[in-house]
Amino acid sequence: SQTIHQWPATLVQPVGSPLSLECTVEGTSNPNLYWYRQAAGRGLQLLFYSVGIGQISSEVPQNLSASRPQDRQFILSSKKLLLSDSGFYLCAWSREKNTEAFFGQGTRLTVV
Amino acid sequence: KQEVTQIPAALSVPEGENLVLNCSFTDSAIYNLQWFRQDPGKGLTSLLLIQSSQREQTSGRLNASLDKSSGRSTLYIAASQPGDSATYLCAVRKIGGGFKTIFGAGTRLFVKA
Repeated sequence: SQTIHQWPATLVQPVGSPLSLECTVEGTSNPNLYWYRQAAGRGLQLLFYSVGIGQISSEVPQNLSASRPQDRQFILSSKKLLLSDSGFYLCAWSREKNTEAFFGQGTRLTVV
Repeated sequence: KQEVTQIPAALSVPEGENLVLNCSFTDSAIYNLQWFRQDPGKGLTSLLLIQSSQREQTSGRLNASLDKSSGRSTLYIAASQPGDSATYLCAVRKIGGGFKTIFGAGTRLFVKA
């Protein structure tokens, strides 16, 4: 069976510090991968998606970047965090464009 | 631009009641619609997936319908239980422009014992 792992579960970082959140998927190959952010009281916003190694599409201009160094690894990064980067970050995967999406347990990021 | 709206934003019902959550979307060019459950501080759990060619899907006490032409979906929960308390999100996977999934803001459900 397929599983998706996200870590860390919670993170408190000072403004201006770097960020690296990692997501890995097990039990499948060549998944489509996604990073979402959920701000307090708001819906999920798609940040990045990837259809293959090294292929990253950005949905919104922002202070964050994403990378896919391996088939089942998706990394969300920032060189310098802003207060507005605080939120709940979710990684997801799907096999094809018309199949179910499965989500990780999320990372609660607080920038102070 | 695809927009997804969920009504109501919040709902409180007594245990045992049947209830309906509503989801509407503006662009019918979708691959599928998926209903999720999210518990506080947790990730999303997939409940039901309806392909664009389907009208409904059922899983246990849950039934989801899809009317693509009118841009609407409903999630029916039968005989609600306190354990059903959570936020329910609907999301559509749009055709074209990659595999973007657009989410509604969710309906926060509270089932009172």
